[in-house]
Amino acid sequence: DADVTQTPRNRITKTGKRIMLECSQTKGHDRMYWYRQDPGLGLRLIYYSFDVKDINKGEISDGYSVSRQAQAKFSLSLESAIPNQTALYFCATSVEGLGDTQYFGPGTRLTVL
Amino acid sequence: AQSVTQLDSQVPVFEEAPVELRCNYSSSVSVYLFWYVQYPNQGLQLLLKYLSGSTLVESINGFEAEFNKSQTSFHLRKPSVHISDTAEYFCAVSEKNTGFQKLVFGTGTRLLVSP
Repeated sequence: DADVTQTPRNRITKTGKRIMLECSQTKGHDRMYWYRQDPGLGLRLIYYSFDVKDINKGEISDGYSVSRQAQAKFSLSLESAIPNQTALYFCATSVEGLGDTQYFGPGTRLTVL
Repeated sequence: AQSVTQLDSQVPVFEEAPVELRCNYSSSVSVYLFWYVQYPNQGLQLLLKYLSGSTLVESINGFEAEFNKSQTSFHLRKPSVHISDTAEYFCAVSEKNTGFQKLVFGTGTRLLVSP
């Protein structure tokens, strides 16, 4: 089984709808991240969490919110989806240490019509 | 703040030919450097990383990268590519400091290997 899982893998929704993307990990890592990937722009950090009580905004947090329900679960919500939030979303985990290497889930492809 | 430049958005190459994917970074402090690979319809996988020590790092599938501090580069090379190496490759950098070592990605280079 994969160490970092994301659900759903694909989602099509309409403008204005609330959407939640979920991430679970079995790596035992404290740190979790949400990124979005857009063609030609690489990956950009939306939110990150060092533990259940520590959540921080990344570089593009507007329009998004997160919830760290447990050490192993980190959810990303779009309260009112808009078309420019159409992207590939990745969850990642890491453990504090040398280099803080991050490990990624398979991604969720979100389309907002 | 750190930044990463991958000048080549796409690199076409024939099978068994050598390849170099370029990565340059900018930072005012010491850095950690990473290469991630994304195969079609998959997530990112760590390919190799430089944390400290030897400036030449290698992956299990024949890729290598060399940290060049004076040129602020971390180019990825493979002497002979396979069709299966077709993927998008991302260079990333994080700064060595206390607290959160934010990972900043380049825009990616798509490697296209043809027969």
